[in-house]
Amino acid sequence: QVQLVQSGSELKKPGASVKVSCKASGYTFTSYAMNWVRQAPGQGLEWMGWINTNTGNPTYAQGFTGRFVFSLDTSVSTAYLQISSLKAEDTAVYYCARQHHLDYWGQGTLVTVSS
Amino acid sequence: QLVLTQSPSASASLGASVKLTCTLSSGHSSYAIAWHQQQPEKGPRYLMKLNSDGSHSKGDGIPDRFSGSSSGAERYLTISSLQSEDEADYYCQTWGTGIDVVFGGGTKLTVL
Repeated sequence: QVQLVQSGSELKKPGASVKVSCKASGYTFTSYAMNWVRQAPGQGLEWMGWINTNTGNPTYAQGFTGRFVFSLDTSVSTAYLQISSLKAEDTAVYYCARQHHLDYWGQGTLVTVSS
Repeated sequence: QLVLTQSPSASASLGASVKLTCTLSSGHSSYAIAWHQQQPEKGPRYLMKLNSDGSHSKGDGIPDRFSGSSSGAERYLTISSLQSEDEADYYCQTWGTGIDVVFGGGTKLTVL
């Protein structure tokens, strides 16, 4: 069965970096795009962008350029989200989700940025 | 601009039915959407992909109580025989050229 398993919660200080992983199983990883979605506390879902798992080409939504990087390791069917120069407002749950209609979701990774 | 509009809240009684609406912005009435459920303190769960003609394909294990329909620019999610666990936030979502994804603001469903 298709599964997306994300790495565990992170507590980081402002200015630090974090890397969230999303390991896929149960399907051919390179056949489906991977999206990243942010949910700030008490807020709705916000699309961050996606990565073409075949070419590795990322596309970032408005507001997620510069400090946000999507990457892959296709040898282990894993997508990554790295956020640098963390700010308090980056505190959120981050989800990976498969293909354009988000038919499978990871369980989410809580990133807390606090001094 | 591709925008999805949802009512912020809805309520219905246990055992009753409820119909949630997602409206596509002008010029985008042919777009398919997806519905997602987010129960309290949980991650989102894919419910179904809903086409403009009302045909839909549900996700794994989604009960028959959940169905979708379409009319013009409106996309509907109907939940019948409401159960307490259906109390959740429901998001519609669509995608455009270049796979840009757009979310509606979500509807908080209360089961009375």
